[in-house]
Amino acid sequence: EAGVVQSPRYKIIEKKQPVAFWCNPISGHNTLYWYRQNLGQGPELLIRYENEEAVDDSQLPKDRFSAERLKGVDSTLKIQPAELGDSAVYLCASSLGQGAPGANVLTFGAGSRLTVL
Amino acid sequence: DQQVKQNSPSLSVQEGRISILNCDYTNSMFDYFLWYKKYPAEGPTFLISISSIKDKNEDGRFTVFLNKSAKHLSLHIVPSQPGDSAVYFCAASGSYGQNFVFGPGTRLSVLP
Repeated sequence: EAGVVQSPRYKIIEKKQPVAFWCNPISGHNTLYWYRQNLGQGPELLIRYENEEAVDDSQLPKDRFSAERLKGVDSTLKIQPAELGDSAVYLCASSLGQGAPGANVLTFGAGSRLTVL
Repeated sequence: DQQVKQNSPSLSVQEGRISILNCDYTNSMFDYFLWYKKYPAEGPTFLISISSIKDKNEDGRFTVFLNKSAKHLSLHIVPSQPGDSAVYFCAASGSYGQNFVFGPGTRLSVLP
């Protein structure tokens, strides 16, 4: 079974440029998360989807960040324009969803490392 | 304000000995906890979980202990192996299957 797939793995851009990250969760996983991990810190939640609905986006900087999960499967996270402080690893994770056995275990992708110059 | 703390940024242990990684939390609503291991350039990998109705959970060489009154949990690895060298994250959730708050991680080095 394929795990959570993310692309690109690495991206280097200049500030003020746009960037997008893509995530394909594990088949059948209803819940999808985007986390941001800064160097030396733990992952911080940006947004959580239940199917195609964003149920928690309180930590998403909405002036420059946007996300979508069309058809409740794969998802895209966009930053426009990027700032120097956005340099981080962007992690996507998925889980079966509430109520299902083992629902509360997140499976992470390998992450997308963004460097903003 | 960090809700999940891992106060030891790093830990070195001799191969074959016990590794003990600690995690403290401040939010009394947290009732489900996960431990993850992360190698460089890879995503975090799930290790073991524990819910607040238990005070201990074992899986092979890994045991997690939960002390709810102290808001403290620990991960024990026995015996430690060089392949265990990684960054370990503690994560806590207030509701089953919802948002997890992660600690900053502890880097474990197991020396041969």
